[in-house]
Amino acid sequence: AQSVTQLDSQVPVFEEAPVELRCNYSSSVSVYLFWYVQYPNQGLQLLLKYLSGSTLVKGINGFEAEFNKSQTSFHLRKPSVHISDTAEYFCAVRIGTASKLTFGTGTRLQVTL
Amino acid sequence: EAGVAQSPRYKIIEKRQSVAFWCNPISGHATLYWYQQILGQGPKLLIQFQNNGVVDDSQLPKDRFSAERLKGVDSTLKIQPAKLEDSAVYLCASSFGWWIYGYTFGSGTRLTVV
Repeated sequence: AQSVTQLDSQVPVFEEAPVELRCNYSSSVSVYLFWYVQYPNQGLQLLLKYLSGSTLVKGINGFEAEFNKSQTSFHLRKPSVHISDTAEYFCAVRIGTASKLTFGTGTRLQVTL
Repeated sequence: EAGVAQSPRYKIIEKRQSVAFWCNPISGHATLYWYQQILGQGPKLLIQFQNNGVVDDSQLPKDRFSAERLKGVDSTLKIQPAKLEDSAVYLCASSFGWWIYGYTFGSGTRLTVV
């Protein structure tokens, strides 16, 4: 069963435009949610995480995400993107007492002038 | 602090050959993970160690893949014999025991099987 879904495989956007990368999860128990970024030929870097508390989470590089339990979503947003934000973005989830992170298939953000 | 070190960065082998990857986690990180990332897919956990014990290896193809973490520090992942479908990036990550702090990933080893 797919635990986390990233529907958009690619998102093209112009520099300084806002962007939203979508992530939906499937679980009837508690979840912990993460967004990672992967620049070309590099490992994954943690952008932000939701563990509990405020549903709006702020991360590095101006990114933020909002946990929406009723819609089982954890979409990533940035109000104004830069060329340097071009990368692959992965949503990941830990479900209940599972000890591992399950990753989505990734969204390629392509920022152009 | 130094990051997670992996070697080699790239490896090309023929099918049916064997290959080994090495990972040195961040000092003091008790938990170590090996992920496989096939092109166009998200990383998939192969094996998780807590110190030198295996916590989860449910998705490790044990007929050809093996991993060890001697003395609870460095780890080696081996494939023998390799298949074409093993072509992927192999990522090592570590965390300070309690996973919620998030993993720190290495840069990965890109394996091409021809």
